[in-house]
Amino acid sequence: SQTIHQWPATLVQPVGSPLSLECTVEGTSNPNLYWYRQAAGRGLQLLFYSVGIGQISSEVPQNLSASRPQDRQFILSSKKLLLSDSGFYLCAWSQLGPRREKLFFGSGTQLSVL
Amino acid sequence: KNEVEQSPQNLTAQEGEFITINCSYSVGISALHWLQQHPGGGIVSLFMLSSGKKKHGRLIATINIQEKHSSLHITASHPRDSAVYICAGWRSGTYKYIFGTGTRLKVLA
Repeated sequence: SQTIHQWPATLVQPVGSPLSLECTVEGTSNPNLYWYRQAAGRGLQLLFYSVGIGQISSEVPQNLSASRPQDRQFILSSKKLLLSDSGFYLCAWSQLGPRREKLFFGSGTQLSVL
Repeated sequence: KNEVEQSPQNLTAQEGEFITINCSYSVGISALHWLQQHPGGGIVSLFMLSSGKKKHGRLIATINIQEKHSSLHITASHPRDSAVYICAGWRSGTYKYIFGTGTRLKVLA
């Protein structure tokens, strides 16, 4: 079966510290991978997406970066966190196909930067 | 103005009521998902539609691509249906989804 794992579930980090959130997908190959941020009461904001290994597209210039070192691994990073990086981060994958039925989300990471 | 608008933003219903949530979009999309997000944050896709109508149990989703509109209906609503419902369109010619801001549904027993 196809699953997506995202960790950690919660994270409290001081301002200026680094960040690494990891997402892995099982049961499929060559998925499209996404990182979203969801602010309280607002919609999902696309941060990065990737259509293949090493291919990263950034949607919003900011303090974050993403990498895809393996086909089913997607990592969200920061060298120095800002207060404004606090939020709920979701990883997702989809599969291109004629019916585009597949869209799966990780369980999310609640990041608090203090 | 958001490319995807949902209404209502908040909805409180009594158990057993018929519920409708609407989604309108202003850009070309080739497929639309209805998503459910429970407290705790996890999101699951309930439906993917590219035309017509789909039914899963008490949930019915319709889409009119020409009119750029989709609806999610819940029949015989139940407190366990309480969640945030989000529509997400696959934007034509891209690899990206565009999202509504969600409808927060609360079903009272």
